[in-house]
Amino acid sequence: GEDVEQSLFLSVREGDSSVINCTYTDSSSTYLYWYKQEPGAGLQLLTYIFSNMDMKQDQRLTVLLNKKDKHLSLRIADTQTGDSAIYFCAEIHNQAGTALIFGKGTTLSVSS
Amino acid sequence: EADIYQTPRYLVIGTGKKITLECSQTMGHDKMYWYQQDPGMELHLIHYSYGVNSTEKGDLSSESTVSRIRTEHFPLTLESARPSHTSQYLCASSECVVNTEAFFGQGTRLTVV
Repeated sequence: GEDVEQSLFLSVREGDSSVINCTYTDSSSTYLYWYKQEPGAGLQLLTYIFSNMDMKQDQRLTVLLNKKDKHLSLRIADTQTGDSAIYFCAEIHNQAGTALIFGKGTTLSVSS
Repeated sequence: EADIYQTPRYLVIGTGKKITLECSQTMGHDKMYWYQQDPGMELHLIHYSYGVNSTEKGDLSSESTVSRIRTEHFPLTLESARPSHTSQYLCASSECVVNTEAFFGQGTRLTVV
């Protein structure tokens, strides 16, 4: 079945760059997303990338897409303690009413 | 700020009780979704809806049922709660276009004892 894989934990120091990786399986996915979940909260969309793009930059966030390898990454420059959260990669599931299918989430821990 | 609300935020209930988790959105979105989030964080789609009178099951089999009588309302019901239903339930909505953002409620944390 469809599966989105992510590493579970990432620990960085404040000011460093964070790179969160994701692999997806549905080659027909037209959009890929990064969501952020803070403790006790719902999910908030951070950014998304269209499948015909290789890269998208939005302030401190850079998304890289390797469609051949079905690999997506999120780079956070100058990581701050407020960036500590769970980050979910998601793809559109075309067979599920275009609902989002999520990875297991990567817990980012930022130490000062 | 997203206008999608879930109630209750927290619920502790005994085995065998019937419960309904409420989800409402005021954005006029046609598409709504229920996700179940494991303690280990993974989200699984359990139900979705294209619009009024449309309900479909998601990837993860669930004993819950949903209804969509009004556009803004997508409640989830468990007829007889069991400890295995203990989880966080997240409701979301989006416009009926592929590349639009899905807005999430804050979730209902359900504990069945």
